[in-house]
This record gives sequence, structure tokens and C-alpha cells, in this order.
Amino acid sequence: AQSVTQPDIHITVSEGASLELRCNYSYGATPYLFWYVQSPGQGLQLLLKYFSGDTLVQGIKGFEAEFKRSQSSFNLRKPSVHWSDAAEYFCAVGAYNFNKFYFGSGTKLNVKP
Amino acid sequence: GAGVSQSPSNKVTEKGKDVELRCDPISGHTALYWYRQSLGQGLEFLIYFQGNSAPDKSGLPSDRFSAERTGGSVSTLTIQRTQQEDSAVYLCASSLEGVETQYFGPGTRLLVL
Repeated sequence: AQSVTQPDIHITVSEGASLELRCNYSYGATPYLFWYVQSPGQGLQLLLKYFSGDTLVQGIKGFEAEFKRSQSSFNLRKPSVHWSDAAEYFCAVGAYNFNKFYFGSGTKLNVKP
Repeated sequence: GAGVSQSPSNKVTEKGKDVELRCDPISGHTALYWYRQSLGQGLEFLIYFQGNSAPDKSGLPSDRFSAERTGGSVSTLTIQRTQQEDSAVYLCASSLEGVETQYFGPGTRLLVL
């Protein structure tokens, strides 16, 4: 069965520190992979996506993610976190043979001044 | 261009009443998804429309939930005889086709008293 796991429910980092949010997926083929961010009271905004090609993808707001097939992972990274990055982050898999998206349960990021 | 819009943004209703939630997708997007996000939870898939194909209703939690999409554009999610456990944020997303990138609306926050 398809699934997405975000093992960290909450993460707190200091402003200026580096960030890595983990995402693992279960899918029978190479999926389409996405990271979304949700600020309080807002809808989801796309940060970046991977469909094929270069396994390191760049997104908006200085985020990047790396697809590692051998680990079934698509971790999100940012070298220096800003206070405005405090939000909830969702990893998603697009299962093209089912026309469905599967979302992780989200990671809430708190940024300390 | 205009993004995905949803109305109302907030809805408070009494248990047992029916509610209708509306979604206006991005013009030209053939795929439309409804999700439910309960407090502190990830996104739960509800229903998927693709063009003129029969919708994928596999995520609807009970027969009190239904949705339609008129003219391949606007969609309405209807919840009959609402229950307190229906309280959640209902998110709509559209994509150009299938599991291409989804664009989310701001959501409708439903509270059932």
C-alpha cells in the first residue's frame, strides 16, 4: 500500500540554524514527490517537487530536497532557517497510476529567536 | 491568474443540519480534489474529479458525504446531517491533469456544534 511517513511531529530549531525534515514513502515505482508548507490558517503552498531527472531539487524560499531512491526518502533541507519559516510542512507522493496523492501527517516547525 | 477559491471560509452549523462547501478551481485545470484536515492531522483524501470521467469517491467517509462538479469547473461538497466529528478544515485542490502539481485553496473551516 502507498504511504508517506514524516517521523518528526514537531521540530524546534534556532533562527539561522540548518534544517532537515524527513520524509519516507512507500510506493511501487518512482513517484512524483512534493513538499508543501502550511502557515496557520492558510492553505497549502507548494515548496518544490520532483518528477524525474536531477535528484536534488530547488524550491522557493531557499528550500531544497533530495530524492534518494535507495532509501525511499525525499528529505527537505534549508541551510539557514528564518523566523518566517515557522509553519507545518507536508510531504506528499503523487501516485500516477492511481491518480491520487498521499500526504504525510506533517511536521510542525518552531523557530527560536 | 486567480488561484483556487473556496467558500465560505468559515461555517458554523448545528448537528443534523446539511452544509454545502464550494470550490472554484483554477481555470483550465481538469483535475479537482477534496481533502479533509482534522485538527492536528494530515490530509485525508475525500474525492477526485478528472475531466468527464466518473469521480473517484473512495475516500468519502460515509454516505452523508457527496460531491459534484458542474461543467468540469465548480465543485460542491455536501455533508448531510452533520455530526460533530465532521468538524474540520475542508481543502480543495486543482491540477492541470491527474497527479500534476496540485494548487490548494485556503480551505473552509467547518464547526459542527
